[in-house]
Amino acid sequence: QQQVKQSPQSLIVQKGGIPIINCAYENTAFDYFPWYQQFPGKGPALLIAIRPDVSEKKEGRFTISFNKSAKQFSLHIMDSQPGDSATYFCAAGRGGYNKLIFGAGTRLAVHP
Amino acid sequence: DAGITQSPRHKVTETGTPVTLRCHQTENHRYMYWYRQDPGHGLRLIHYSYGVKDTDKGEVSDGYSVSRSKTEDFLLTLESATSSQTSVYFCAISDHSGGAGETQYFGPGTRLLVL
Repeated sequence: QQQVKQSPQSLIVQKGGIPIINCAYENTAFDYFPWYQQFPGKGPALLIAIRPDVSEKKEGRFTISFNKSAKQFSLHIMDSQPGDSATYFCAAGRGGYNKLIFGAGTRLAVHP
Repeated sequence: DAGITQSPRHKVTETGTPVTLRCHQTENHRYMYWYRQDPGHGLRLIHYSYGVKDTDKGEVSDGYSVSRSKTEDFLLTLESATSSQTSVYFCAISDHSGGAGETQYFGPGTRLLVL
């Protein structure tokens, strides 16, 4: 019940395309769903996060879609750029000590 | 990296030796976390701290211990390193004031190789 399943493992798109990364969770107690971006040799950095009281959140070219009934959420990257090439992690957390459960990650390559 | 440093950044050690990794923050955040990152597993929580001398286990705590004697420092110790502990270790900090899910800020990581 603590798992977060992320797909696909890797993704290749052309510049301007819209990569979509999906995550699913089991534990309905989760109430915080962040996405992290990680470049090689660096630590993960928060990209965008959502709570289950909204179905969509946009920040710049990044959008989270959230489906509470299906226990799924996804990241869309609009007008993707080569600089977006990185590994993306979804995560889920709940109150108290803010312990996060991470998905396995998606390696995204955006080709020029 | 939000005022977080990790030391050492790289370490090679032998099986059976003790290893201590240090996380230092200058943000005065209350919460600190140690994660390990392995291919196919994302990041997994090892231990976390919710205040000075207040620590608890995460999902993969076997073989690891932690200590936090000051707000700014969180130490991760491998008492007797094993090859399965070869990984990249990340420290994170957070400062949420109640409720769920404030941002966790990650350090640059320590790459550990156990031979």
